[in-house]
Amino acid sequence: GDSVTQTEGQVTVSESKSLIINCTYSTTSIAYPNLFWYVRYPGEGLQLLLKVITAGQKGSSRGFEATYNKETTSFHLQKASVQESDSAVYYCALGSTNSAGNKLTFGIGTRVLVRP
Amino acid sequence: DTTVKQNPRYKLARVGKPVNLICSQTMNHDTMYWYQKKPNQAPKLLLFYYDKILNREADTFEKFQSSRPNNSFCSLYIGSAGLEYSAMYLCASSRGTFYEQYFGPGTRLTVL
Repeated sequence: GDSVTQTEGQVTVSESKSLIINCTYSTTSIAYPNLFWYVRYPGEGLQLLLKVITAGQKGSSRGFEATYNKETTSFHLQKASVQESDSAVYYCALGSTNSAGNKLTFGIGTRVLVRP
Repeated sequence: DTTVKQNPRYKLARVGKPVNLICSQTMNHDTMYWYQKKPNQAPKLLLFYYDKILNREADTFEKFQSSRPNNSFCSLYIGSAGLEYSAMYLCASSRGTFYEQYFGPGTRLTVL
């Protein structure tokens, strides 16, 4: 099956400091899955932060970056300088395909708290 | 408008009673999904509709039903709620099954 493992629990970081959330994946259903980061801000629904569909490529959005590394099966999320508004829950997800269509397998989510 | 709406936002149900959750979208998306999210667990796909075709995950096949009376609406139905159904239920939609999924705010179901 498919699985996603990411940094668990809560990460607390001071404003303007760097952030990294680790994500590794495992899949038996597809050789090169699509990889996603979703984010849930307080009071809002999950929304797509960035996606990468080609191994070796980097995705970026709102100052966040993630590189699809097929050798290490990783897709870590990084930001060089966080802001208070980045406080949210971040989910790494893998997109795979079966006969019915595409499905997302999510990680457990990482809560990020940015302190002023 | 990229909004997915879910009703109600909070639902209290009794053990053994049925539960019906509603989701709507106005983006003319042909695919709608339902996920279950429990504390300290990853969101888990329960089922999805591609147009009028329902696809249910094997491990939750008998626990959840769904209907999609038209392109905009999709419901999630629990025939007899148990304590284990207490969770956040997330609805999402996408244009086709290979594109970005847009999520609603969720319905928090508490079964007592």
